[in-house]
Amino acid sequence: AQTVTQSQPEMSVQEAETVTLSCTYDTSESDYYLFWYKQPPSRQMILVIRQEAYKQQNATENRFSVNFQKAAKSFSLKISDSQLGDAAMYFCAVNAGGTSYGKLTFGQGTILTVHP
Amino acid sequence: ETGVTQTPRHLVMGMTNKKSLKCEQHLGHNAMYWYKQSAKKPLELMFVYNFKEQTENNSVPSRFSPECPNSSHLFLHLHTLQPEDSALYLCASSQGGRLREEQFFGPGTRLTVL
Repeated sequence: AQTVTQSQPEMSVQEAETVTLSCTYDTSESDYYLFWYKQPPSRQMILVIRQEAYKQQNATENRFSVNFQKAAKSFSLKISDSQLGDAAMYFCAVNAGGTSYGKLTFGQGTILTVHP
Repeated sequence: ETGVTQTPRHLVMGMTNKKSLKCEQHLGHNAMYWYKQSAKKPLELMFVYNFKEQTENNSVPSRFSPECPNSSHLFLHLHTLQPEDSALYLCASSQGGRLREEQFFGPGTRLTVL
């Protein structure tokens, strides 16, 4: 079984500032992917960034980057130069092999508010 | 239509009603999923279909009955629901078969059970 924990129910950031959302996970599988999804208010959930467990280099997508600490099973998301459009619920998720193959397990989510 | 669509967007039903949720994906994907999103709880995976075959039933009560007639369409048939079944029901699709693949989500159906 796999679990994902997001310990920050809510976070806020000033526009143009940087914010980091925390995520820890647990899986017994050696092959897995980690994801951050964004769910804007009343809009569809979309993928923000993903990380393969075998890759040591942290993934980046424009203003979004991750800090992947495999030994600590930590996968935080950093949003730089925050914009009003970044306001959303952010979900961390893991997709592992083995008996959980193909089944995304999500955390509880973090609501991000961006202040102008 | 593009991406993943869901109808209806909102549904109110009584505990004795029978209704169905519909999901359609226009992405040529082979895997489709139903999730339940309740307030203050993580998204819960309910069902997974790969190439029209159900590959996962996450201990979902029998009052929820999925149907996947082809790789593009997914239904969730509802009957004798309980008030605690009120939630946002999300449909998603993916190419199928790879850990790294992105899931594409629909806008969801907001279900209220009275």
